[in-house]
Amino acid sequence: KAGVTQTPRYLIKTRGQQVTLSCSPISGHRSVSWYQQTPGQGLQFLFEYFSETQRNKGNFPGRFSGRQFSNSRSEMNVSTLELGDSALYLCASSLSGPMNTEAFFGQGTRLTVV
Amino acid sequence: QQQVKQSPQSLIVQKGGISIINCAYENTAFDYFPWYQQFPGKGPALLIAIRPDVSEKKEGRFTISFNKSAKQFSLHIMDSQPGDSATYFCAASNDYKLSFGAGTTVTVRA
Repeated sequence: KAGVTQTPRYLIKTRGQQVTLSCSPISGHRSVSWYQQTPGQGLQFLFEYFSETQRNKGNFPGRFSGRQFSNSRSEMNVSTLELGDSALYLCASSLSGPMNTEAFFGQGTRLTVV
Repeated sequence: QQQVKQSPQSLIVQKGGISIINCAYENTAFDYFPWYQQFPGKGPALLIAIRPDVSEKKEGRFTISFNKSAKQFSLHIMDSQPGDSATYFCAASNDYKLSFGAGTTVTVRA
Protein backbone atom coordinates (compact mmCIF):
# COMPACT_ATOMS: atom_id res chain seq x y z
CA LYS A 1 0.00 0.00 0.00
CA ALA A 2 1.56 3.30 -1.07
CA GLY A 3 2.16 5.89 1.62
CA VAL A 4 1.53 9.61 1.59
CA THR A 5 3.24 11.21 -1.38
CA GLN A 6 4.35 14.81 -1.36
CA THR A 7 5.73 16.68 -4.34
CA PRO A 8 8.10 18.26 -4.90
CA ARG A 9 10.57 17.10 -2.24
CA TYR A 10 12.68 20.25 -2.45
CA LEU A 11 11.92 23.76 -3.61
CA ILE A 12 13.86 27.01 -3.70
CA LYS A 13 11.88 30.19 -4.21
CA THR A 14 12.57 33.92 -4.08
CA ARG A 15 10.89 36.31 -1.67
CA GLY A 16 7.62 37.59 -3.06
CA GLN A 17 6.97 34.56 -5.24
CA GLN A 18 4.22 32.06 -4.64
CA VAL A 19 4.44 28.31 -4.34
CA THR A 20 2.07 25.32 -4.58
CA LEU A 21 2.76 22.05 -2.79
CA SER A 22 0.97 18.81 -3.51
CA CYS A 23 -0.08 15.87 -1.35
CA SER A 24 -1.53 12.52 -2.40
CA PRO A 25 -2.99 10.69 0.61
CA ILE A 26 -3.04 6.97 1.25
CA SER A 27 -5.68 5.28 -0.86
CA GLY A 28 -9.03 5.39 0.94
CA HIS A 29 -8.04 8.20 3.29
CA ARG A 30 -10.33 11.19 3.08
CA SER A 31 -8.72 13.50 5.63
CA VAL A 32 -5.62 15.49 4.75
CA SER A 33 -3.80 17.80 7.17
CA TRP A 34 -0.89 20.13 6.60
CA TYR A 35 1.82 21.07 9.09
CA GLN A 36 4.81 23.39 9.04
CA GLN A 37 7.97 22.20 10.77
CA THR A 38 10.77 24.61 11.71
CA PRO A 39 13.61 24.30 14.24
CA GLY A 40 12.28 27.26 16.21
CA GLN A 41 8.52 26.63 16.24
CA GLY A 42 8.40 22.87 15.88
CA LEU A 43 5.40 21.25 14.23
CA GLN A 44 2.52 23.64 13.71
CA PHE A 45 -0.89 22.88 12.28
CA LEU A 46 -1.88 24.69 9.10
CA PHE A 47 -5.24 23.22 8.05
CA GLU A 48 -7.27 20.04 7.69
CA TYR A 49 -9.57 18.96 4.89
CA PHE A 50 -12.15 16.21 4.69
CA SER A 51 -14.21 15.54 1.60
CA GLU A 52 -13.11 18.85 0.07
CA THR A 53 -14.19 20.85 3.15
CA GLN A 54 -11.80 22.67 5.43
CA ARG A 55 -12.70 21.67 8.98
CA ASN A 56 -10.02 23.54 10.86
CA LYS A 57 -7.35 26.14 10.24
CA GLY A 58 -4.29 27.05 12.28
CA ASN A 59 -2.97 30.47 13.20
CA PHE A 60 -1.24 31.33 9.97
CA PRO A 61 -1.70 34.44 7.82
CA GLY A 62 -4.06 34.41 4.87
CA ARG A 63 -1.08 33.96 2.54
CA PHE A 64 -1.34 30.28 3.41
CA SER A 65 -4.24 28.52 1.75
CA GLY A 66 -5.19 25.04 0.75
CA ARG A 67 -7.73 22.95 -1.01
CA GLN A 68 -8.74 19.35 -1.45
CA PHE A 69 -9.97 17.70 -4.58
CA SER A 70 -12.68 15.08 -5.04
CA ASN A 71 -10.03 12.32 -5.20
CA SER A 72 -8.78 13.49 -1.75
CA ARG A 73 -5.53 14.88 -3.15
CA SER A 74 -4.66 18.20 -1.59
CA GLU A 75 -2.63 21.25 -2.43
CA MET A 76 -1.43 24.09 -0.30
CA ASN A 77 -0.40 27.47 -1.62
CA VAL A 78 1.75 30.17 -0.09
CA SER A 79 1.66 33.57 -1.74
CA THR A 80 4.07 36.47 -1.37
CA LEU A 81 6.75 34.27 0.16
CA GLU A 82 8.79 35.58 3.08
CA LEU A 83 12.16 34.35 4.34
CA GLY A 84 10.40 33.03 7.46
CA ASP A 85 8.32 30.66 5.34
CA SER A 86 11.40 28.48 4.86
CA ALA A 87 10.41 25.19 6.47
CA LEU A 88 9.57 21.54 5.99
CA TYR A 89 5.91 21.29 4.99
CA LEU A 90 4.33 18.01 5.96
CA CYS A 91 1.12 16.44 4.85
CA ALA A 92 -0.68 13.78 6.87
CA SER A 93 -3.57 11.59 5.83
CA SER A 94 -6.07 9.59 7.85
CA LEU A 95 -9.33 7.80 7.29
CA SER A 96 -11.66 10.25 8.94
CA GLY A 97 -9.54 12.73 10.83
CA PRO A 98 -6.53 12.88 13.14
CA MET A 99 -8.59 12.98 16.30
CA ASN A 100 -9.70 9.39 16.26
CA THR A 101 -7.88 7.59 13.49
CA GLU A 102 -4.21 7.17 12.83
CA ALA A 103 -2.54 9.95 10.86
CA PHE A 104 0.33 9.06 8.55
CA PHE A 105 2.84 11.64 7.34
CA GLY A 106 4.59 12.04 4.04
CA GLN A 107 8.29 12.84 3.75
CA GLY A 108 7.57 16.52 3.38
CA THR A 109 8.51 19.29 1.00
CA ARG A 110 11.56 21.28 2.02
CA LEU A 111 10.90 24.91 1.01
CA THR A 112 13.76 27.37 1.04
CA VAL A 113 12.98 31.05 0.46
CA VAL A 114 15.94 33.20 -0.59
CA GLN B 1 1.67 28.81 22.96
CA GLN B 2 2.61 25.14 23.19
CA GLN B 3 -0.49 23.17 24.17
CA VAL B 4 1.55 20.07 24.86
CA LYS B 5 4.70 20.41 26.95
CA GLN B 6 7.39 17.76 26.35
CA SER B 7 10.51 16.96 28.33
CA PRO B 8 13.41 16.42 28.26
CA GLN B 9 14.64 18.24 25.17
CA SER B 10 17.29 15.57 24.67
CA LEU B 11 18.55 12.45 26.36
CA ILE B 12 21.39 10.00 26.00
CA VAL B 13 20.95 6.37 26.96
CA GLN B 14 23.18 3.32 26.79
CA LYS B 15 22.25 0.42 24.57
CA GLY B 16 19.87 -1.81 26.47
CA GLY B 17 18.74 1.01 28.75
CA ILE B 18 15.33 2.63 29.16
CA SER B 19 14.41 5.96 27.59
CA ILE B 20 11.58 7.92 29.21
CA ILE B 21 9.93 10.94 27.64
CA ASN B 22 7.21 12.91 29.40
CA CYS B 23 4.40 15.10 28.13
CA ALA B 24 1.78 17.24 29.84
CA TYR B 25 -1.31 18.99 28.57
CA GLU B 26 -4.01 21.33 29.82
CA ASN B 27 -6.81 21.00 27.31
CA THR B 28 -9.21 18.33 28.56
CA ALA B 29 -10.85 18.23 25.12
CA PHE B 30 -7.89 16.25 23.79
CA ASP B 31 -9.11 12.73 23.06
CA TYR B 32 -6.29 10.90 21.33
CA PHE B 33 -2.58 10.88 22.14
CA PRO B 34 -0.11 9.55 19.53
CA TRP B 35 3.66 9.42 19.59
CA TYR B 36 5.73 9.95 16.48
CA GLN B 37 9.33 9.07 15.66
CA GLN B 38 11.25 11.19 13.18
CA PHE B 39 14.60 10.53 11.54
CA PRO B 40 16.56 13.33 9.82
CA GLY B 41 15.18 14.09 6.38
CA LYS B 42 12.04 12.02 6.95
CA GLY B 43 8.48 12.76 7.96
CA PRO B 44 7.24 11.72 11.41
CA ALA B 45 6.23 8.06 11.64
CA LEU B 46 3.43 6.95 13.95
CA LEU B 47 4.87 4.82 16.74
CA ILE B 48 2.08 4.13 19.19
CA ALA B 49 -1.08 5.90 20.36
CA ILE B 50 -3.46 5.84 23.31
CA ARG B 51 -6.91 7.07 24.22
CA PRO B 52 -7.68 8.71 27.60
CA ASP B 53 -9.80 5.80 28.83
CA VAL B 54 -6.72 3.53 28.85
CA SER B 55 -3.91 3.88 31.40
CA GLU B 56 -1.23 1.93 29.58
CA LYS B 57 -0.54 0.53 26.15
CA LYS B 58 2.39 -1.59 25.10
CA GLU B 59 3.62 -2.42 21.62
CA GLY B 60 6.88 -4.32 21.51
CA ARG B 61 9.56 -2.28 23.27
CA PHE B 62 7.39 0.86 23.37
CA THR B 63 4.94 1.61 26.19
CA ILE B 64 2.69 4.61 26.75
CA SER B 65 1.59 5.40 30.29
CA PHE B 66 -1.36 7.77 30.62
CA ASN B 67 -2.50 9.61 33.75
CA LYS B 68 -5.78 11.35 32.99
CA SER B 69 -6.16 13.07 36.35
CA ALA B 70 -2.66 14.55 36.16
CA LYS B 71 -3.03 15.30 32.45
CA GLN B 72 0.29 13.65 31.75
CA PHE B 73 1.48 10.85 29.53
CA SER B 74 4.84 9.31 28.85
CA LEU B 75 6.69 7.07 26.43
CA HIS B 76 9.00 4.35 27.67
CA ILE B 77 11.44 2.76 25.24
CA MET B 78 12.72 -0.47 26.73
CA ASP B 79 15.98 -2.15 25.72
CA SER B 80 16.99 0.92 23.70
CA GLN B 81 18.90 0.19 20.49
CA PRO B 82 21.16 2.43 18.35
CA GLY B 83 18.45 2.34 15.66
CA ASP B 84 16.12 4.08 18.12
CA SER B 85 18.25 7.23 17.89
CA ALA B 86 15.76 9.76 16.56
CA THR B 87 13.54 12.65 17.58
CA TYR B 88 10.32 11.70 19.33
CA PHE B 89 7.21 13.85 19.42
CA CYS B 90 4.19 13.46 21.61
CA ALA B 91 0.94 14.86 20.30
CA ALA B 92 -2.66 15.38 21.32
CA SER B 93 -5.66 15.55 19.09
CA ASN B 94 -8.91 17.47 19.08
CA ASP B 95 -10.91 19.51 16.62
CA TYR B 96 -9.41 17.71 13.60
CA LYS B 97 -5.84 18.68 14.40
CA LEU B 98 -2.76 17.42 16.20
CA SER B 99 -0.93 19.61 18.70
CA PHE B 100 2.67 18.53 19.05
CA GLY B 101 5.21 18.72 21.82
CA ALA B 102 8.56 20.34 21.05
CA GLY B 103 10.30 17.00 20.56
CA THR B 104 12.96 14.94 22.36
CA THR B 105 16.17 13.93 20.64
CA VAL B 106 17.18 10.47 21.83
CA THR B 107 20.72 9.24 21.34
CA VAL B 108 21.45 5.59 22.08
CA ARG B 109 25.14 4.89 22.71
CA ALA B 110 26.40 1.45 21.70
